Amino acid sequence: SQTIHQWPATLVQPVGSPLSLECTVEGTSNPNLYWYRQAAGRGLQLLFYSIGIDQISSEVPQNLSASRPQDRQFILSSKKLLLSDSGFYLCAWNQAGLTYEQYFGPGTRLTVT
Amino acid sequence: SQKIEQNSEALNIQEGKTATLTCNYTNYSPAYLQWYRQDPGRGPVFLLLIRENEKEKRKERLKVTFDTTLKQSLFHITASQPADSATYLCALDNYNTDKLIFGTGTRLQVFP
Repeated sequence: SQTIHQWPATLVQPVGSPLSLECTVEGTSNPNLYWYRQAAGRGLQLLFYSIGIDQISSEVPQNLSASRPQDRQFILSSKKLLLSDSGFYLCAWNQAGLTYEQYFGPGTRLTVT
Repeated sequence: SQKIEQNSEALNIQEGKTATLTCNYTNYSPAYLQWYRQDPGRGPVFLLLIRENEKEKRKERLKVTFDTTLKQSLFHITASQPADSATYLCALDNYNTDKLIFGTGTRLQVFP
């Protein structure tokens, strides 16, 4: 069966510090991968979408970047965090061309102070 | 632009009753619509998908309807239980791609 992992679970970082969040999927190959952010009281905002290694589209202009160095690994990064980067970050996957529903990881709660 | 609306106010119902949640959308014709459940501090969990040519879909105590004329989906939980308390999100496909657009969700509280 497939599983999706995210780490860390929680993170408190000062403004201006770098960020690296990691997501890995097990039990499948060539998944579509997604990064979302969920701010308090708001819906899920799609940040990045990837259909394959080094194939990433950015959905909104922002202070963040994403990379996919391996088929089942998706990394969200920032060189300098802003206060507005605080939120709940979720990674998700689905199987390209087979399923439309998405499967989410446990999330990372990021607080920028 | 595409817009998805879910009732931002919490829905409080008594155990055993049917809960009905609404998802309305504008400026769009989705190929399918999905419902997810999200518990506090957790990632959303997929519940049901309904396609544009389907009127109704059922799964155990869950029922989803999809009215493309009204641009509305209704999500029903029959015989609701306190364990059904959570936030429920609806999501539409983004122009028939693998990407989804999510509503802000409606929080359901089922009390004994």
